Formats: sequence, C-alpha cells, structure tokens
Amino acid sequence: DAKTTQPTSMDCAEGRAANLPCNHSTISGNEYVYWYRQIHSQGPQYIIHGLKNNETNEMASLIITEDRKSSTLILPHATLRDTAVYYCIVLSNNAGNMLTFGGGTRLMVKP
Amino acid sequence: DAGVTQSPTHLIKTRGQHVTLRCSPISGHKSVSWYQQVLGQGPQFIFQYYEKEERGRGNFPDRFSARQFPNYSSELNVNALLLGDSALYLCASSLLGSSYEQYFGPGTRLTVT
Repeated sequence: DAKTTQPTSMDCAEGRAANLPCNHSTISGNEYVYWYRQIHSQGPQYIIHGLKNNETNEMASLIITEDRKSSTLILPHATLRDTAVYYCIVLSNNAGNMLTFGGGTRLMVKP
Repeated sequence: DAGVTQSPTHLIKTRGQHVTLRCSPISGHKSVSWYQQVLGQGPQFIFQYYEKEERGRGNFPDRFSARQFPNYSSELNVNALLLGDSALYLCASSLLGSSYEQYFGPGTRLTVT
C-alpha cells in the first residue's frame, strides 16, 4: 500500500472550514484514499473514501487531485467536537481489510 | 442500533499473566478485527476473523491469539504479558471480510505492571 504524508498538527477556528491535506505520491491506480478520525479516548471513526472522483457525505468532502498524488479532507463548518486525530490511509481493494494507520494530523478546533 | 461493544473497559494485570478481551460486533457484521494502540501512536493491526476463520494476522508474537464464535463475537487472548503490552486494544467490525469501512469499539485499556 502507498505511503502517506500528513502534517503533524493543525488549528482551525470554530465555524470555519478545516482543510486537512494528505500526500500520497506513490499511489497506484487501484488504490483508494480512506479517511478516519479518532476523538480522544474513543475508537477510530470512518469518515469517507474515494478513488478518483471527489466525494461528499454528511460528515465531510474529499477532494482528490487529478493526478491522485494528493487529497484534502474538508470539514465545512468545524465544531469543537471535530477536535481529533485525522488519519489518511491509502489501500487497494484486494481481499484483505487491514487498516495501516500512520501518525495522522492532530486537528485542534478553537473557539 | 448498538455499536461495537468491548469488555472490560479497563484492566490491570501483572507481568507473566494472561488476559482475555471480548468484543461484540454490530448486529449483522461477520468480520471482526483487533488492533493495538500504544500511547501516542496509531492503531496497529493484530488479527482479522471472518466467518469464524482467521483471515489476516499482523506482526505480533504467538503470545497473541484470537477466535470468533458462531454469533460472530470475538476474544483476544494474550499470554505471558509484558510491560510493552500495555495499550488500548480496539475491536472493529465490518459487514464483509474485505471491507475497509470498519466500525470501532471504544477499546479496552490494558495496563501491565
């Protein structure tokens, strides 16, 4: 699976959009980009995933560049409850389901 | 609907002892995976079970074992505990054996003294 690079930490003002970047320059054609987050003292929570098209759900939007070498997770109106570690994971849809978590980005939403 | 449940919430054990952690998946989910999360790091994959068979194993010693029951609940066993086994143990369930959309429980905090 391709390796990902994320900033260690980011701040965002409450009510503003939080844009979390992820670089995955070695991603191959059959690999998906998944995003999870982990709020303090809880298990990780699935957010969204995509292959090449932009995706949106009730939690967030995922923007993948045309060359697929990077992506951005967007939380449109961040709240204090969005403070968490956000993990970007690149995976091929083969027979397994092992998630490989890196260090992630610690997002702090401030009032 | 109930999410993934794990028991116990917290546990303190002594080096050399063994421990059993339990997980109940979301109703209808047939796959259970176990992860270890050491403080300050991301979760590390230990095992996956699907339809009561082991489908994947991470880079963990044989002291770690698991099983899945007919009702799809699962147990993680760790023998001969070491101080380094102190961690948050997370269970995740998914509908299929090959799904990266997984639902995690709150974890069991194991402290080995």
